[in-house]
Amino acid sequence: AQTVTQSQPEMSVQEAETVTLSCTYDTSESDYYLFWYKQPPSRQMILVIRQEAYKQQNATENRFSVNFQKAAKSFSLKISDSQLGDAAMYFCAYRTDQGGSEKLVFGKGTKLTVNP
Amino acid sequence: EAQVTQNPRYLITVTGKKLTVTCSQNMNHEYMSWYRQDPGLGLRQIYYSMNVEVTDKGDVPEGYKVSRKEKRNFPLILESPSPNQTSLYFCASSPLEPWGTQYFGPGTRLLVL
Repeated sequence: AQTVTQSQPEMSVQEAETVTLSCTYDTSESDYYLFWYKQPPSRQMILVIRQEAYKQQNATENRFSVNFQKAAKSFSLKISDSQLGDAAMYFCAYRTDQGGSEKLVFGKGTKLTVNP
Repeated sequence: EAQVTQNPRYLITVTGKKLTVTCSQNMNHEYMSWYRQDPGLGLRQIYYSMNVEVTDKGDVPEGYKVSRKEKRNFPLILESPSPNQTSLYFCASSPLEPWGTQYFGPGTRLLVL
């Protein structure tokens, strides 16, 4: 079964600095999607960034970028120029359609604190 | 406005009293799913549906039922709630092609006494 591991339960960063959140996953599939979701205190789930496994180029969305290492099964999120509004829980997720069923598997999350 | 709505947003109930949490989306998405979120466990999938009348179990389906009679609605039913079903529940939807971005509802916080 696919698993997603976020090894950092909590992280902190100074405002305007850069922070990297780690995510590793386990799969035998060759084609899949990976996601980072943000959950602020409002509890709303917000998509931050997505990566298709067949694309070698790392996805970027403004201050958010990923380092996708397919062979290592690693998918880290880099937040540049951190802002107070970036404080949230961040979840890494893997999409699988193994056996014809569509499922989204989440990691346990990393709580990010941004210090002023 | 494209959105996923859930009702109720907050619910306190007692063990054994049947309840339904509704979920509706206005984006004509084929795929809909229910998740529960518990501290330290992230989000775990309960059930999902790839289209009308097509549903399948996720990772934690025990104690839950779903139905998909209309494309826009995907209610979650707890026939006999128990305290271990106290949780934060999310409904989500997405198109099947291109698959990817799931749109989440605002969440339903359930307390079972």
